[in-house]
Amino acid sequence: EPEVTQTPSHQVTQMGQEVILRCVPISNHLYFYWYRQILGQKVEFLVSFYNNEISEKSEIFDDQFSVERPDGSNFTLKIRSTKLEDSAMYFCASSGGRGDNQPQHFGDGTRLSIL
Amino acid sequence: EDQVTQSPEALRLQEGESSSLNCSYTVSGLRGLFWYRQDPGKGPEFLFTLYSAGEEKEKERLKATLTKKESFLHITAPKPEDSATYLCAVQLRPGYSGGGADGLTFGKGTHLIIQP
Repeated sequence: EPEVTQTPSHQVTQMGQEVILRCVPISNHLYFYWYRQILGQKVEFLVSFYNNEISEKSEIFDDQFSVERPDGSNFTLKIRSTKLEDSAMYFCASSGGRGDNQPQHFGDGTRLSIL
Repeated sequence: EDQVTQSPEALRLQEGESSSLNCSYTVSGLRGLFWYRQDPGKGPEFLFTLYSAGEEKEKERLKATLTKKESFLHITAPKPEDSATYLCAVQLRPGYSGGGADGLTFGKGTHLIIQP
């Protein structure tokens, strides 16, 4: 069964450094998403991306964050200057569309640790 | 304010002991309600989508139902492999305040343990 893959599984970065998290969505999907889950808290929506532009973003997704689809298969999340509070699991998801019967399928996440 | 509230936070059952998990939501313009399963260190795994009150979906030992205010995930004769955190999430219709049409709003989940 097709799946969303994320790399790396664990990223350790010094505070203030830039980090790029990578995702390969399911191949025929058109919508891509990033979520984060701080330890012990809810999964929170960050951003959605369609047709090479941001479709929707939450209040969490400020100017420190950016997303890109650099080629036909990868989808990336960049955090420009990491803060301690950016430590979390980051999940990528994809869906075939926005309509009914188009659920979002998640990868297994990247655990980001900011030191 | 919380839009999605799940209860109980944790539930421990004996193998074969049926029960229900609750997800109540306080949103207007519900587009869909989703149930996911999350194992430790893994991403949410899609289980069901429900769109309208009265709708039911089944998969193996799980059955999800939806009313205008809440959803239930019924688990019948559970096995130890059903142990996981079960997440409920809502998606809003475009144009409704409090959320967009894309992002899912999740509850905190119910941590379910099935003892052999």
